[in-house]
Amino acid sequence: EDQVTQSPEALRLQEGESSSLNCSYTVSGLRGLFWYRQDPGKGPEFLFTLYSAGEEKEKERLKATLTKKESFLHITAPKPEDSATYLCAVQTTSGTYKYIFGTGTRLKVLA
Amino acid sequence: DGGITQSPKYLFRKEGQNVTLSCEQNLNHDAMYWYRQDPGQGLRLIYYSQIVNDFQKGDIAEGYSVSREKKESFPLTVTSAQKNPTAFYLCASRKQEGAYNEQFFGPGTRLTVL
Repeated sequence: EDQVTQSPEALRLQEGESSSLNCSYTVSGLRGLFWYRQDPGKGPEFLFTLYSAGEEKEKERLKATLTKKESFLHITAPKPEDSATYLCAVQTTSGTYKYIFGTGTRLKVLA
Repeated sequence: DGGITQSPKYLFRKEGQNVTLSCEQNLNHDAMYWYRQDPGQGLRLIYYSQIVNDFQKGDIAEGYSVSREKKESFPLTVTSAQKNPTAFYLCASRKQEGAYNEQFFGPGTRLTVL
């Protein structure tokens, strides 16, 4: 069964304290892996798409990487405004419509 | 500005009522999706549509219905048959050509059953 697991469920960081969020996946075939940011009561905001192992994408303090089994979202020197839930989703090759979402990591950055 | 709009932001339903959630996009995207989000769970697919006048059931379609009469619009009706409809509902769309696989989401509608 196709599955996406995110860890940790919640993470508290001090401002400036770098860390990584994990998204591990078990799918029959990977078409793409996506990272989103979601603020409370709002829709997810698209961050990155990764397609193949070894690929990396960066945006400000965020960097996403991909291996054959997992993806990491690295947050460098976070600020309080980076506090949000970060969602990972996988699109499988079994159908163009099918996206599987993880349950997210709730990040809190303390000033 | 292009984007996805959902209305209303908050919706309250009485037992036995049908309610309709609106989703409109001006991104010229072909595919549109409805998801349900509950605390502690990943987004779950209700319905999706890849083209006008065509749609398919997702993983949790029971108690829901949709229509796709226009490319820009994909309304979701939550019927009285949906036993636990209180949730956050998200509409998404995707360009269906080339390498564009990412979905873009609307702001969501929070539905509460009274």
